[in-house]
Parts: sequence; C-alpha cells; structure tokens
Amino acid sequence: DQQVKQNSPSLSVQEGRISILNCDYTNSMFDYFLWYKKYPAEGPTFLISISSIKDKNEDGRFTVFLNKSAKHLSLHIVPSQPGDSAVYFCAASSHTGTASKLTFGTGTRLQVTL
Amino acid sequence: NAGVTQTPKFQVLKTGQSMTLQCAQDMNHEYMSWYRQDPGMGLRLIHYSVGAGITDQGEVPNGYNVSRSTTEDFPLRLLSAAPSQTSVYFCASSSSPGVSGNTIYFGEGSWLTVV
Repeated sequence: DQQVKQNSPSLSVQEGRISILNCDYTNSMFDYFLWYKKYPAEGPTFLISISSIKDKNEDGRFTVFLNKSAKHLSLHIVPSQPGDSAVYFCAASSHTGTASKLTFGTGTRLQVTL
Repeated sequence: NAGVTQTPKFQVLKTGQSMTLQCAQDMNHEYMSWYRQDPGMGLRLIHYSVGAGITDQGEVPNGYNVSRSTTEDFPLRLLSAAPSQTSVYFCASSSSPGVSGNTIYFGEGSWLTVV
C-alpha cells in the first residue's frame, strides 16, 4: 500500500520555464511533508518542507503547495535551471511513539533542457 | 565537515554471505536510520534508532540486524544475504527523534549486489 505516490516518473521542462512536480498521499495523520532532491550516486538532500497546518511555503525559486482536502502537494520550481535536473522525492512524516518516520514516494526524474 | 559517512560504497556478495554496512555521523545526532532504495519503490525504512542502545524496526526489517552502541555509529548487518537484498542503502541522521523537515541528513549510499 503506497501511502505517498508520485504518479509521474519523469518530467522534461525547458530552461526558464516552470517545473511542477506532484505528490498524492492517503494517510491523513501525516504532519509534515518534505521534498528531497537526489543526484546520481549521491544521497538525497533536503529541499523544502511544509507543515500540514499550512498551504504554502516558499524558498527562493522553490514553492510547495499543500491541498489537504485533496491530499495533494506540489513543488513548483521557477525558473527551472539545468542544475535542477535530478530525481525529486516527496516524503511525509508521521509519529510512531518514539520517533517520527518518513514515508517516501517513488520519485520523479526532472530533466531541464536548454 | 564529514556529515554522514557510509562504507563501503560498493559491495558484491554471494548468496548466504553476511556483511556489515557501516554508518557514522559527526553531528552528535540522536536519531539514525537505514533506508533501502529499489527501482519504482522509493526509499523504504529498514531500522532506526533514537539513541544509543535503542533501536526499532521500520517498514522492511527482515534479514537485517542493527545495534547502536555509540551515538556516532549505526551499522547495518545482513545476516545471510539474498538476491532480494540487492539494493542501494542509505543511512540518515537527524538532530531529534521528531522530524520537523530540514533536519534529516543522508549519506551518499552503499550499492550492494547479491549474486
């Protein structure tokens, strides 16, 4: 049962345009949502997060939107740059008593073309 | 500034062999965890620890063993390797058991192939 879903395995966007990466979830107990970026042969690196009590968080070129009623979040990158080409993972946090755990989506490979 | 260090980076094992993936962090983090990444599956939590002497199971713990004798180290042991354990393994650490977003740091990964 995939609680966090990224239905688009890949996305290609021209440099300078907007990239929109989508993520859906099923567990209403998730309290934080995060986006991680991963380059080949490297570990994931944190990009941006949003609390479940907010609907938008912005950091420079990156904005995350959360629609709780639809259980949907999206990451917007404006403007897209070639260095943004990577795999993007959506993750959701839930508490289990002793710690919080992250549940990851399957990732979306973003290719920013010149 | 090493952060989270994993060794080895690449390993090939024969079915039935045992091995240990090492993970060390120098940020004095209490929370450490191991994930595996498989094609089309995202990252799945294997085991985690909220401090020295305390470990717990994640989503896919079978075939793996962990212990946490120090704050810095969190090794992952494969007891009897199986081809299904061919994967990329990531160690991660965090400053507190509660994940608040930008406090989880990942190592660079260990590529394991079981033949």
